[in-house]
Amino acid sequence: DAGVTQSPTHLIKTRGQHVTLRCSPISGHKSVSWYQQVLGQGPQFIFQYYEKEERGRGNFPDRFSARQFPNYSSELNVNALLLGDSALYLCASSPGHIQETQYFGPGTRLLVL
Amino acid sequence: GQQLNQSPQSMFIQEGEDVSMNCTSSSIFNTWLWYKQDPGEGPVLLIALYKAGELTSNGRLTAQFGITRKDSFLNISASIPSDVGIYFCAGGGSGGSNYKLTFGKGTLLTVNP
Repeated sequence: DAGVTQSPTHLIKTRGQHVTLRCSPISGHKSVSWYQQVLGQGPQFIFQYYEKEERGRGNFPDRFSARQFPNYSSELNVNALLLGDSALYLCASSPGHIQETQYFGPGTRLLVL
Repeated sequence: GQQLNQSPQSMFIQEGEDVSMNCTSSSIFNTWLWYKQDPGEGPVLLIALYKAGELTSNGRLTAQFGITRKDSFLNISASIPSDVGIYFCAGGGSGGSNYKLTFGKGTLLTVNP
């Protein structure tokens, strides 16, 4: 069975630009969560979506937004990119939205110049 | 954002040795998870713990959910070179935030063959 997939694998942008990252969860999983991991740190929670609705949001500015589609795939959008947005963006899927074990994808490495 | 207190930060051991690492928090968690992350990859789930006092094994790995629900440890027995990587603890279901995982900063494990 396919695990969580993310695209693209790597991305280079310049300050002020916009970026869209994509995630497909494990088949049968209805919840997708997004995390940001900067070098040397553990992942930080950004959003969780379940059944196309936002169920939780971390301490990130409004420049970060996301959505979930009817097939449970998800997009993370970041506007007005800053140098500090350079990080590994991880998507995780789980069957439901409460205390479920989360399975991570390989991540998208974003570099903002 | 909040991160769990994970120790040690790094370990350098000889092949065949046993390893122990732990994670503590000021908050109670309902779920403790342990992940391993290789460079440029997403975290891979090793062990999931759902009940205070629970002791669970996965091959050479053993993890326990602390009785106070504020800590967890991971032991690796008879280490091998492929155990090299960064190990993260993660807590879930704290303070009504059932939708997110809170991570430690990671333990970098190096195994000398």
